[in-house]
Order: sequence, then structure tokens, then C-alpha cells
Amino acid sequence: EAGVAQSPRYKIIEKRQSVAFWCNPISGHATLYWYQQILGQGPKLLIQFQNNGVVDDSQLPKDRFSAERLKGVDSTLKIQPAKLEDSAVYLCASSGQGGDTQYFGPGTRLTVL
Amino acid sequence: AQTVTQSQPEMSVQEAETVTLSCTYDTSESDYYLFWYKQPPSRQMILVIRQEAYKQQNATENRFSVNFQKAAKSFSLKISDSQLGDAAMYFCAYDGNKLVFGAGTILRVKS
Repeated sequence: EAGVAQSPRYKIIEKRQSVAFWCNPISGHATLYWYQQILGQGPKLLIQFQNNGVVDDSQLPKDRFSAERLKGVDSTLKIQPAKLEDSAVYLCASSGQGGDTQYFGPGTRLTVL
Repeated sequence: AQTVTQSQPEMSVQEAETVTLSCTYDTSESDYYLFWYKQPPSRQMILVIRQEAYKQQNATENRFSVNFQKAAKSFSLKISDSQLGDAAMYFCAYDGNKLVFGAGTILRVKS
């Protein structure tokens, strides 16, 4: 069974530029999550989707971050404009339903210069 | 809000020995899940073990076992017969309706 796929693996941008990350969850998983993991810390939930609807986006900085999940499968997380403090690893995870075990992708390491 | 505390920033263990990683959490809920995840330098977060709060029996997965003390809100991970491949960052996580992670414990395995 294929795991959660993410791309790109690495991204370096200048501050104030925009960037987008892509995630493809495990086939059949209804719930998709985006996490931000700052170096030396545990992941923090940014947004949770159930199919193509948003369940929780309370910790998403909505002035610069946006996310969508088209057709309830793939998802894209965008940052525009990026700030230095956005440098982190962005992890995507999926689960069968909310509350089930979450399975994580390999992450995207973002460096903002 | 639920919080998860891992009081050991770093631990070391000799190959083939046993090590225990500590985790405490704070919640007012009675129904929840607890997890240990492993994150090697490759960054892939890998599930190690899962515990349902309603189960009194401690979960085990091969060399990995937990000591779940619900009243004390404690959830420690024991790794037996440690191997070089066990070296990684280990995260304890609580799931009531949202997964909340601790700060992690770096585990080093000495040969």
C-alpha cells in the first residue's frame, strides 16, 4: 500500500515570495492534515480536512497561509508572502476517519532566507 | 487545552540494552488515544505504538511496550534489546479530537 506522498522535499525561497506544497494521502483516507514542525519542536496542526471540507483551521495563519483539498483527495498548502519564521518542515498526514491513527508523509523542508 | 510533556530532551542507551522514555499529559477527557511516533533524520514520522485510554492492558509491539497509568496521566515507552536503527527522535502524542505532540526525546544508541 502506497504511503502519503509529498512534494517537493526541499524548498528554499526569499522572504515575501510565495510557495506551495502538495500532498497525496493514502488511498481511501477521508481525513487529511497539515502540520508545521519547527526545528526542535513537535509538529503543530495547521489544518484538518474531512473529505473536501475544513474541520479545524484554528491554528492556520490565515493572513498568509491557505489550503485546499480538491475533490477530497490531493491537497495543496500555500504560503504568500513567506516570512523568515515560516522556515520549518511541513508534514502532511492522513487517516481513515478523524480520530483514527494518522500516517505521515516524508515532509517538505522549507527555508526562507 | 491538552498538553503533552516529555521531560527528557535526550537519552542514550547501549545496544541490546533497555531504555524507557517518559511522557505525561494533561486532559480532562476520559476517552482518548495515546501514541508514540519515531522520527529518524529522514523526517518520516513513523507510528511506533498506539494505546486506547479505555483499555487497561498496556500495548505492545515486538520490542516496544508502554506503561500506561491513566490516573497519573503517564504514558512511558520501553524499548527492549535496543538496536542501532532505533536511534531517532521520539514523540509522545495525545489525541482527544486533535493530535497534540510533546517536544520530543532524542534517543542515541551506542554500539
